[in-house]
Order: sequence, then C-alpha cells, then structure tokens
Amino acid sequence: AAGVIQSPRHLIKEKRETATLKCYPIPRHDTVYWYQQGPGQDPQFLISFYEKMQSDKGSIPDRFSAQQFSDYHSELNMSSLELGDSALYFCASSLNSKNIQYFGAGTRLSVL
Amino acid sequence: AQSVTQPDIHITVSEGASLELRCNYSYGATPYLFWYVQSPGQGLQLLLKYFSGDTLVQGIKGFEAEFKRSQSSFNLRKPSVHWSDAAEYFCAVGYINFGNEKLTFGTGTRLTIIP
Repeated sequence: AAGVIQSPRHLIKEKRETATLKCYPIPRHDTVYWYQQGPGQDPQFLISFYEKMQSDKGSIPDRFSAQQFSDYHSELNMSSLELGDSALYFCASSLNSKNIQYFGAGTRLSVL
Repeated sequence: AQSVTQPDIHITVSEGASLELRCNYSYGATPYLFWYVQSPGQGLQLLLKYFSGDTLVQGIKGFEAEFKRSQSSFNLRKPSVHWSDAAEYFCAVGYINFGNEKLTFGTGTRLTIIP
C-alpha cells in the first residue's frame, strides 16, 4: 500500500539559509499534518491543512510557512534557519473522516 | 489543553518476558488514543488506536492496550517481547478540532531488549 512520502530524507543547510520540505500524502487523503521532533524529544505539532486550507496551527515559528497544493501535497518552507531548527520533520496524512494519521519516514534537517 | 504522560523514560526487559508501557492522559472529553512505535532514524508506525467501544484494543505485532477511563490510562502490553521490539514507543492523544485532529505525544519510552 502507498505510504506518505517525504523528500528529501536528509537536508544539510547553513544558518540563515532557507529550506523546503515536501510531503506527498497517501492517495485520497485530504488532510496533512507537520510535526517537528528535536533530538530526544517527542514530536510537536506545527501545522495542518484540510482540503488545501490551513486547519490548525501549533508551535510553528513565524519564519516557517506551509501550504497544501491542489494535488494535496504539502510543502513546509523554512527561512532564516537557526541551529535550533535541526530536527526530524514528520509529515502525516489522514482521511478527514477516519481520524487516523499515517506518518512518513521524516526529513532530517541539520543546520550547521 | 490535552497532555500525555509516559512515566517511564527507559525500560529494559528480557526477550520472552512480558511488557507493559504506561500512558496517562489529561483531556476534557473522550479522547482518541494511539500508540506509535519509532525505530532509530525511522518514522512513526501506528501500533493501535482507541476511539470508542471495547476498551481492550488489539494492534499489530502482538500488542494490545486497555483504555481505563477511571484511571485516565491507556497502557500498552505484550505478553512476550521479541528482540525486534526494541524501539521508542509514543503514546498520543488526538484532539478533534472541526473534524481535524492534531496529536499530542508523550515524551516516549525507550524499550531495550536483553537476550
């Protein structure tokens, strides 16, 4: 069965650079969620989209933005990167009526 | 606001022994509860979920969990662990906001299996 695809799997950036993370949900899933997991930490909710509209917002810095496109894939844009942004970024998708989130393998971002 | 507590940061059990990982939640309404497992450098895999109905839920890989409303708990159990069960386990509670759900995770329990 198709799963949530995230790209790239690994990303190395320097301070103050920008990064774009991509997420391709499971086919027919209409909701996408982004989570950030720092080293040794639990995943923290950043933002979610339902039918291409932002549906909820968590502890997402103002330097970050995200959107969901017409094909339901989502991109997380991160600007003015800081060392503290180094983390594993997960995308999850769900079918709105089912309330079960399926996670991708994550993008590991390292900011040097 | 909802919260999840996993009191055990690290648990070590022998292969073949039984396992119980504790999870307590704080939530104003009937929660949606989940257990996810994460192997090193990997994503989160759903083990099982509780929405309503039977309070004992079965999951994949031989895991089960029991929802106890009176104790606000959702403990994960397995009668006999295998070396491949070594991983990080996260309990999560779902909050429904206009039909969309964000998950709040506990801090995780790292499971080590000794031969």
